[in-house]
Amino acid sequence: QKEVEQDPGPLSVPEGAIVSLNCTYSNSAFQYFMWYRQYSRKGPELLMYTYSSGNKEDGRFTAQVDKSSKYISLFIRDSQPSDSATYLCAMKPHGQNFVFGPGTRLSVLP
Amino acid sequence: DAGVIQSPRHEVTEMGQEVTLRCKPISGHNSLFWYRQTMMRGLELLIYFNNNVPIDDSGMPEDRFSAKMPNASFSTLKIQPSEPRDSAVYFCASSAGQNNQPQHFGDGTRLSIL
Repeated sequence: QKEVEQDPGPLSVPEGAIVSLNCTYSNSAFQYFMWYRQYSRKGPELLMYTYSSGNKEDGRFTAQVDKSSKYISLFIRDSQPSDSATYLCAMKPHGQNFVFGPGTRLSVLP
Repeated sequence: DAGVIQSPRHEVTEMGQEVTLRCKPISGHNSLFWYRQTMMRGLELLIYFNNNVPIDDSGMPEDRFSAKMPNASFSTLKIQPSEPRDSAVYFCASSAGQNNQPQHFGDGTRLSIL
């Protein structure tokens, strides 16, 4: 079992839909969680960074962490074609390096 | 503010040649990371520097790979000799403080070894 699991997609949704992207993990020591967006032929771009369980909101993006279920989510409201990209989750225990999920490819259709 | 700058953006070379990838981290960041991304294996950490000192190089695949950070504003990743299986996108990232902080990535070097 990989440390971080993520459905690779592709996930296709119509413009304006609410998108839910998810990662599960096996290491209960993970404390820090990040979501990145990666456009084709570009580097990953940091979207959200959270430390604790619960929700964190930034504009159309909401990150949710459920440590008891070892499950994190990224919600995108009012999705736009410009949101079409690969979304990577990353997480780490204190004092160690981040582990990245394989990414979910999202297409938002106009 | 300038982000992480990597060069070259693309490199195509023949097997056996030496390849040098370069990275300029964000000014003020004292942690630097080199990653490799492939379809099969995703994003893998190769090596991590803190204050110019290599802290963890357990991800470096073999002795053909080496990395240096001579000062706070420059790092290199060298492959010698290169092999076709080294073909991948290589990313450099930097962060402020210790490695619990979020990392900011460059746009990568797309490496093709023929």
